[in-house]
Amino acid sequence: GAGVSQSPSNKVTEKGKDVELRCDPISGHTALYWYRQSLGQGLEFLIYFQGNSAPDKSGLPSDRFSAERTGGSVSTLTIQRTQQEDSAVYLCASSLDPTGGEQYFGPGTRLTVT
Amino acid sequence: QKEVEQNSGPLSVPEGAIASLNCTYSDRGSQSFFWYRQYSGKSPELIMFIYSNGDKEDGRFTAQLNKASQYVSLLIRDSQPSDSATYLCAVKRGRDAGGTSYGKLTFGQGTILTVHP
Repeated sequence: GAGVSQSPSNKVTEKGKDVELRCDPISGHTALYWYRQSLGQGLEFLIYFQGNSAPDKSGLPSDRFSAERTGGSVSTLTIQRTQQEDSAVYLCASSLDPTGGEQYFGPGTRLTVT
Repeated sequence: QKEVEQNSGPLSVPEGAIASLNCTYSDRGSQSFFWYRQYSGKSPELIMFIYSNGDKEDGRFTAQLNKASQYVSLLIRDSQPSDSATYLCAVKRGRDAGGTSYGKLTFGQGTILTVHP
């Protein structure tokens, strides 16, 4: 079946602009996760959703970052007033549920802030 | 101390050899353990997961878990050049460990493996 999809695959934006990244999880997966991967930091957790609620937002770096999920499916990660340090690959993953089940990653969105 | 540590590598092995990748973790509440393979420019791909002490085999891959030693490893038998990639170890807390952080994966920095012909 279809895997996790993300859009856009690449995004170049100017410092100070807002961006929205989209994730469409595997059908039937109730849990959805956002991670970020950058050269210096490795792969770091941002936030996860169980259904439409986010039990753990502890990885969001600042209040410029927010995420929502609607209908238990698609999620959007929004970064306001982007900074150069936000440049990274943003990865979305999904699993059947957060307690068990393996997480499968989408192809990622490469964000470059100029 | 990092939460998840992997042997820094890079690791280079000849084709046909066994590649051994190691990972230690600090959180005793960790219950689930995963190995991801990541090719350059691509996203992580799940290749093995293990939840119980002991060995788990899947084709050329064997994952080994020792919770008492807080150690997990991945063996790749008959290594092929196509196995050349970065291997990421990831751990997840159990729900009974408390808190709401049981959903997230915590990753090591990865080990670069090169299999040369």
